[in-house]
Amino acid sequence: DQQVKQNSPSLSVQEGRISILNCDYTNSMFDYFLWYKKYPAEGPTFLISISSIKDKNEDGRFTVFLNKSAKHLSLHIVPSQPGDSAVYFCAASARLNYGGSQGNLIFGKGTKLSVKP
Amino acid sequence: EADIYQTPRYLVIGTGKKITLECSQTMGHDKMYWYQQDPGMELHLIHYSYGVNSTEKGDLSSESTVSRIRTEHFPLTLESARPSHTSQYLCASSDEIRVGMDYGYTFGSGTRLTVV
Repeated sequence: DQQVKQNSPSLSVQEGRISILNCDYTNSMFDYFLWYKKYPAEGPTFLISISSIKDKNEDGRFTVFLNKSAKHLSLHIVPSQPGDSAVYFCAASARLNYGGSQGNLIFGKGTKLSVKP
Repeated sequence: EADIYQTPRYLVIGTGKKITLECSQTMGHDKMYWYQQDPGMELHLIHYSYGVNSTEKGDLSSESTVSRIRTEHFPLTLESARPSHTSQYLCASSDEIRVGMDYGYTFGSGTRLTVV
């Protein structure tokens, strides 16, 4: 059973507009959440993270929102650029409070973002 | 410049062959991981190591084996490759999480394995 779910396999957005990528999780022990970006034939690169003690974290054009009660997080990219076109993976772990193997990252299936010029 | 290196990038090999996928990191990270990913699917953890001489199986059962004799090196071996092993294999490493600091795994570029 998937613990981290990204229900939209793809998303298409116009350049300059907002991209919103969504992620749901089922494990209430998760206390740290991350977004990764992956280009074809490359490994994922870390984008932004948020711990469960926060509900928002910003880094430039990227903002992650966490709604613990709904077990939902989202990544906002504003403004979207063609270079943002990639697959975005949501990941979660129970590392902060539990450690050990609970700290290993669990990944979703990814959402392919296409930003059109 | 990459701090974690995987070789080869692409490999096409016949059924029954023994293969080793190499992974090395220069960051001094204690923790290293192997993930397997098929197109459109999540990354599945198949092996991890928390330090030298420490190896554990991940969430996804795999016929591969790993070793960790040196901190920087975490190779993955398939004794007898089969077409079902065709996939992308991603190696990653991480440091201890520090409260208040951003944290994430550093991934290699991956090895795309095709077994024919």
